[in-house]
Amino acid sequence: DAGITQSPRHKVTETGTPVTLRCHQTENHRYMYWYRQDPGHGLRLIHYSYGVKDTDKGEVSDGYSVSRSKTEDFLLTLESATSSQTSVYFCATTGEISNQPQHFGDGTRLSIL
Amino acid sequence: AQTVTQSQPEMSVQEAETVTLSCTYDTSESNYYLFWYKQPPSRQMILVIRQEAYKQQNATENRFSVNFQKAAKSFSLKISDSQLGDTAMYFCAFMKPNTGNQFYFGTGTSLTVIP
Repeated sequence: DAGITQSPRHKVTETGTPVTLRCHQTENHRYMYWYRQDPGHGLRLIHYSYGVKDTDKGEVSDGYSVSRSKTEDFLLTLESATSSQTSVYFCATTGEISNQPQHFGDGTRLSIL
Repeated sequence: AQTVTQSQPEMSVQEAETVTLSCTYDTSESNYYLFWYKQPPSRQMILVIRQEAYKQQNATENRFSVNFQKAAKSFSLKISDSQLGDTAMYFCAFMKPNTGNQFYFGTGTSLTVIP
C-alpha cells in the first residue's frame, strides 16, 4: 500500500541486543510513523516524523529511537531489546493534505527471547 | 491526547445480515477527521471509510456506511449484506490536523462473519 516496505518481516532476537527496523516509502510522503500493535491495545504510536531529521515522540517512546536522514527512509531502533518489546510493528505514511488516510506497511513481527 | 473508545471487543454476524460497530471519541476540537480501518488475518491495514467532521452527510462506500453524530462524539460503522471476507479486526481512528497529523486508534473490534 502506497509503496511502503518494511524490513525485516520477521525477527527473533535476544534480550539486550540492539534491533533496527526499516521503513522505506516510494510515495514522497512527508509524514511517517512507527506503531506497535499488541492485543487489547490497538495501535500505539511510538515515534513519528514530519520531515527529514524532524521527529517527535509518541505515546510509547521509552526504549525506542528513530532516525530519518532522507524522505523515503524511517528507521526504528530498539537500543537494548526487552521481552516487553515483543510485538508487531507497523510503519505508516501520509501526505500533507489533512484528509488523507495513513497508509501502512505489512508489519514486522518481532520476538525478543 | 485524544481518546478513541471501541466498547465491543468481539462481535459476530450471520452472512448477508447487517452489523454495526461502535466508536466514540473525546476531543475539544471542531476540525478533525475520522477513519475506519480493517485488518484481516493477513495483517494488512486497509482503509474502509473516512469522514470529515465539517461534513454533516454521513460517508458511504458500497456496503459500508457510517453514522456520524458530532455532538455525541460517536462514529459507528454499519456493514450491510455481510460477507465472509468481512471477517477482520476493525479499528476506528481520529486525526486532528497539526504538525504531525497524528492518528489515534481505538483498541479494535474483532468481527466474525458466520456462514
